[in-house]
Amino acid sequence: DTGVSQDPRHKITKRGQNVTFRCDPISEHNRLYWYRQTLGQGPEFLTYFQNEAQLEKSRLLSDRFSAERPKGSFSTLEIQRTEQGDSAMYLCASSLSPSGANVLTFGAGSRLTVL
Amino acid sequence: DQQVKQNSPSLSVQEGRISILNCDYTNSMFDYFLWYKKYPAEGPTFLISISSIKDKNEDGRFTVFLNKSAKHLSLHIVPSQPGDSAVYFCAASDDFGNEKLTFGTGTRLTIIP
Repeated sequence: DTGVSQDPRHKITKRGQNVTFRCDPISEHNRLYWYRQTLGQGPEFLTYFQNEAQLEKSRLLSDRFSAERPKGSFSTLEIQRTEQGDSAMYLCASSLSPSGANVLTFGAGSRLTVL
Repeated sequence: DQQVKQNSPSLSVQEGRISILNCDYTNSMFDYFLWYKKYPAEGPTFLISISSIKDKNEDGRFTVFLNKSAKHLSLHIVPSQPGDSAVYFCAASDDFGNEKLTFGTGTRLTIIP
C-alpha cells in the first residue's frame, strides 16, 4: 500500500476561482478526514466520512466548501469562489474504525495559494 | 480558543541528550492524547499516544507523561538523534476511537550533532 495520496500537491489560483483536491486513502480504511493547516498553526478538523457518509462538518467549513466520498473510496474537497484566506495546506487522513487507537494516517497535503 | 497549547515554538537539543516537549490543554473532556511528528513536505506521522487512565506510556526512546490534574503532557526523547529533528504536534481527542483531533501549534525540534 502506498499510503494516503493527495493530488495536486500544490495549487496556485486567482481569487474567485474554484479548486478541487483529491484524496486516495489507504484502501482498507473506512474513515476519511480532511484537515486544514495554516502557517504557524496545527491541523484543524474540517470534516470526516465513514465509508460514503459525511458524518460531521466543522464550523470552519463554510458553504463555499463541499466534500464528497461517492463510493466510500477516494474523496474530493472543492472550494468555490476562493478567497485569500483559503490559502492553506489541506491534509487528508484515513483510519480503520473501530480500532480504538485514534490514529490517523495523513497524506502529504495539498497546498493552496490564492492570489 | 486554543484548547491545546504548545508554548515553545522551537527547541534545540544536543545529540545524545534528552529532548522534552511540553503540551497543555484546557478542555477537561479530552481523554486521549497523541504526539505526531512532521518532516518538511510530508504529512504528520503518528508517534505515540496515551489514554487518560494512564500517566505514562513508553515506546523505545519515546515516553509520554500525562498529568491530568495539571492538564499537562510531555514527550521525552532520549537519547536524541539527528533524525528526530522535526516539528512535533500534540493532539487530543474527547472520545476514544474518534479521530477528530484537536492539535497544538507545534514545536520545532532541532537536534544539534
